Amino acid sequence: DIQMTQSPSSVSASVGDRVSITCRASQDITKSLTWFQQKPGKAPKSLIYDASKLQSGVPSRFSGSGSGADFTLTISSLQPEDFATYYCQQYKSYPYTFGQGTRVEI
Amino acid sequence: EVQLVESGGGLVQPGGSLRLSCVASGFTLSDYYMDWVRQTPAKGLEWVARSRDKAHSHTTEYTASVKGRFTISRDDSKSSLYLQMNSLKTEDTAVYYCVRGRNGFDYWGQGSLVTVSS
Repeated sequence: DIQMTQSPSSVSASVGDRVSITCRASQDITKSLTWFQQKPGKAPKSLIYDASKLQSGVPSRFSGSGSGADFTLTISSLQPEDFATYYCQQYKSYPYTFGQGTRVEI
Repeated sequence: EVQLVESGGGLVQPGGSLRLSCVASGFTLSDYYMDWVRQTPAKGLEWVARSRDKAHSHTTEYTASVKGRFTISRDDSKSSLYLQMNSLKTEDTAVYYCVRGRNGFDYWGQGSLVTVSS
């Protein structure tokens, strides 16, 4: 199975900050990577797919980059509604696997 | 508007069975891959199973830990996806999400809690 490792596990930030979260795959997954945001008690919400493509309706302050094994999710200017947990997931090969999550908190 | 609504979760004893249902609206189910993903506080998010679209004959994939025990199926005429879970184990306790598998996993249901306990 492909292991997905996110860092950091948590980050403290303020409104307006630029925040970056990294995700490393244990093998080459080309660009088959997606990012999710999850708030407590809610279902995950898709933000980015194919490593860098924004899902419809997602604010442009979210961006994704990377290919191969190293990926980054960047929030350019953190807003109050962005405090949440973020996950990466690979869909290059079965079983699809997720990172352990990064909590973005004040 | 795309909506996925799960039902069928609940409390079941180890070794028991349960069937989850997911009703899809706002799109044509037969045109899409569909997945089940589960989540626990301890293990995080775990992909469980996939049903491919009609063009790919609704073929399926499973994660190893559920293969032979769980069956994903669908009834496109009812816009419904199912997960039949047999021989349930305590480690199957989780919130189960129905997910549309387009552009990654673009839409998620609200989740259905399955608790396996004696």
